[in-house]
Amino acid sequence: EAQVTQNPRYLITVTGKKLTVTCSQNMNHEYMSWYRQDPGLGLRQIYYSMNVEVTDKGDVPEGYKVSRKEKRNFPLILESPSPNQTSLYFCASSLIGAGKTQYFGPGTRLLVL
Amino acid sequence: AQTVTQSQPEMSVQEAETVTLSCTYDTSESDYYLFWYKQPPSRQMILVIRQEAYKQQNATENRFSVNFQKAAKSFSLKISDSQLGDAAMYFCALSNAGNMLTFGGGTRLMVKP
Repeated sequence: EAQVTQNPRYLITVTGKKLTVTCSQNMNHEYMSWYRQDPGLGLRQIYYSMNVEVTDKGDVPEGYKVSRKEKRNFPLILESPSPNQTSLYFCASSLIGAGKTQYFGPGTRLLVL
Repeated sequence: AQTVTQSQPEMSVQEAETVTLSCTYDTSESDYYLFWYKQPPSRQMILVIRQEAYKQQNATENRFSVNFQKAAKSFSLKISDSQLGDAAMYFCALSNAGNMLTFGGGTRLMVKP
């Protein structure tokens, strides 16, 4: 089954404790992206990647890191989480090209205390 | 920079009736794509409908249709014969020549039995 998977689905952590949210897709998509969803703001892009070893900042990259060592994986790293990073996070993937449909993972609910 | 605005934070509709969700956008690009995504309580992001800006014909998917007014930069979603399963958050999104999606703040649709 074609899908985007994220782990963990739920995470509670404390300020400053490094964490990684994994994202994997099995559709051989070149493009992968991370979004955060906050009430009233919709989804905002954090980072994206056009291919292996190619990443770039989205609209809200501060406090986040990503890597793309393999085509299928695109982990999101919070090296020193803060309470303002409490949010719902989505990973998405698609083929490269204008208007290509993005497929979303199930979301990761993060609470930073 | 591109923006997407959904001016209705919440809407309600009676089961079997028709409802229209509003979306306006702004972009300097001439080639772009518009999307409506549905987010049910499971939080999964589900593509509802997609519209290419160069196409004058409005997209339709079963009970879902759009009213695309390019000059007015308006992209509303009409849901006919509303069903209880249509209750969800709906997000309007814009993609230009690249893959980046810009989302509106969302509209919560409630369906009354």
